[in-house]
Amino acid sequence: GEDVEQSLFLSVREGDSSVINCTYTDSSSTYLYWYKQEPGAGLQLLTYIFSNMDMKQDQRLTVLLNKKDKHLSLRIADTQTGDSAIYFCAERQWGGGNKLTFGTGTQLKVEL
Amino acid sequence: NAGVTQTPKFQVLKTGQSMTLQCAQDMNHEYMSWYRQDPGMGLRLIHYSVGAGITDQGEVPNGYNVSRSTTEDFPLRLLSAAPSQTSVYFCASSSASGTDQHFGDGTRLSIL
Repeated sequence: GEDVEQSLFLSVREGDSSVINCTYTDSSSTYLYWYKQEPGAGLQLLTYIFSNMDMKQDQRLTVLLNKKDKHLSLRIADTQTGDSAIYFCAERQWGGGNKLTFGTGTQLKVEL
Repeated sequence: NAGVTQTPKFQVLKTGQSMTLQCAQDMNHEYMSWYRQDPGMGLRLIHYSVGAGITDQGEVPNGYNVSRSTTEDFPLRLLSAAPSQTSVYFCASSSASGTDQHFGDGTRLSIL
């Protein structure tokens, strides 16, 4: 079956860039997503990339997709304390329905 | 505000009890789904629906039932609660294209 992997923790200083990495196994994925989860809250969709793209930029967020290596990354420029949260990558499975396979999440801690 | 509404936010059950987790969306999304989130495991798909009257199983469907009688509502039923079903449950809705995704704030369920 599909498997999505992420590193568990990342710590950065305020103002630096953060890069969160994700690897996936399903080559038939249609979309890949990045979500943010703050404590006690649901998941907020940050950005997504279609599987035939290799880069997408959205304000402070840059998504890179390497289909050959099945590697996805999220770069957050000028990281702020409000960016501290858990970040999940997810792939949307081919076929009907919004069937997402999630990674285990990366906890980002932003220090002053 | 438009979005996904889940009720209740918290619930404690005894083993063997049944209950229904409610989920409603007001965005006229075709796709809805239920996930459970357990520590260190990301989110796992329980059941999903591609439209009213159509449901299917996800990765971890055992012990749960769903129905979709209207576009707006997608309740999740626990038939006979077990301690292994202690988790945080999230409902999500999505456009068919997958580019518009919303999650509810979750239901935190404890089974004693």
